[in-house]
Amino acid sequence: EAQVTQNPRYLITVTGKKLTVTCSQNMNHEYMSWYRQDPGLGLRQIYYSMNVEVTDKGDVPEGYKVSRKEKRNFPLILESPSPNQTSLYFCASMGATWGHADTQYFGPGTRLTVL
Amino acid sequence: GDSVTQMEGPVTLSEEAFLTINCTYTATGYPSLFWYVQYPGEGLQLLLKATKADDKGSNKGFEATYRKETTSFHLEKGSVQVSDSAVYFCALYTSYDKVIFGPGTSLSVIP
Repeated sequence: EAQVTQNPRYLITVTGKKLTVTCSQNMNHEYMSWYRQDPGLGLRQIYYSMNVEVTDKGDVPEGYKVSRKEKRNFPLILESPSPNQTSLYFCASMGATWGHADTQYFGPGTRLTVL
Repeated sequence: GDSVTQMEGPVTLSEEAFLTINCTYTATGYPSLFWYVQYPGEGLQLLLKATKADDKGSNKGFEATYRKETTSFHLEKGSVQVSDSAVYFCALYTSYDKVIFGPGTSLSVIP
């Protein structure tokens, strides 16, 4: 079954304690992305990756890091989480379609609370 | 800069009512336009899409037409069902890598 998986689904942590949210896709997609969803703000892109070892900032990258060492995995790293990073996070992947954007497939989400 | 505006709701309709959710955009070039749906407790999934002007996307009874002259991509359904209750997001893809979502419109359909 084609899918994007995220772990953990729920996480409560404290300010300053480093954490990693994993994301994996089994569709051999080149493009992967992280979003955060906040009430009234929709989804905002944090980082995206066009392929292995190629990453770039989205609209709200401050306080986040990513890496893309393998095609299937795209972890999101919070080195020193703060309460304003409390949010619902989604990972997504998309096949490469030259010339125009294609459908993104989303993971189930990770609800993060930073105390 | 590029942006997406959509009615935020919440929208409450009776079953079998007609639905319209407005979406307008600002973008340079020729963006692709999408509607995604998010059911409670789930991630987003594609509802429909249109990649060029005058294209009509359709799925599950929902339709939207890419109107370049009015920079709009309004979502419509002739007869909503309780199972359509969800949050609907209009999305703009300005290029292969840049993605912009609207704030989402919450829809509740009551029997």
